[in-house]
Amino acid sequence: AQSVTQLDSHVSVSEGTPVLLRCNYSSSYSPSLFWYVQHPNKGLQLLLKYTSAATLVKGINGFEAEFKKSETSFHLTKPSAHMSDAAEYFCVKNSGYSTLTFGKGTMLLVSP
Amino acid sequence: DTGVSQDPRHKITKRGQNVTFRCDPISEHNRLYWYRQTLGQGPEFLTYFQNEAQLEKSRLLSDRFSAERPKGSFSTLEIQRTEQGDSAMYLCASSWGQTDGDTQYFGPGTRLTVL
Repeated sequence: AQSVTQLDSHVSVSEGTPVLLRCNYSSSYSPSLFWYVQHPNKGLQLLLKYTSAATLVKGINGFEAEFKKSETSFHLTKPSAHMSDAAEYFCVKNSGYSTLTFGKGTMLLVSP
Repeated sequence: DTGVSQDPRHKITKRGQNVTFRCDPISEHNRLYWYRQTLGQGPEFLTYFQNEAQLEKSRLLSDRFSAERPKGSFSTLEIQRTEQGDSAMYLCASSWGQTDGDTQYFGPGTRLTVL
């Protein structure tokens, strides 16, 4: 069973408008959760991580995510999209033994 | 640059040949991971080391795959008798720590194409 579900394979926004990338996870405990970004021909870069401290997590480049245990969600948001945000975003869960389970990814397209 | 490095960045081989990839982690990191990413999918875990000990292997890692980290520093991933289904991006990551919440830092990957 997929333990990390990214609800949209593609999201299109206009520059300057808000971004919402949705992620749901399944776990019997409060996991460590991450968002990574992958730009074309570049390595995966960590945007932010949640490890059971504050439920609202701030990351790099203006991104943030909110951990909601009751909804088993960890959605990624940004108030205003920039052209440079166009990339593929992965919601990731730590699955124990230090291994990561990735969602299938959401491609963010930003139009001028 | 002190990030994770991988070599080669691209490898094209013929079916049946053996290939070996190398990963150099961030120098002080004690954990090293290998993942595989196929087109349109997120990376999938293959195996990981803590220092030189290989502690976990995925069922994806068939007996044609072997990984080593001989001195707890760099690691190699070898695929024997390559098949077309092995074509993928092979990613290496490293981290420092003892907990499951440790951040993993990824290298740029090695793209393997099996003809």
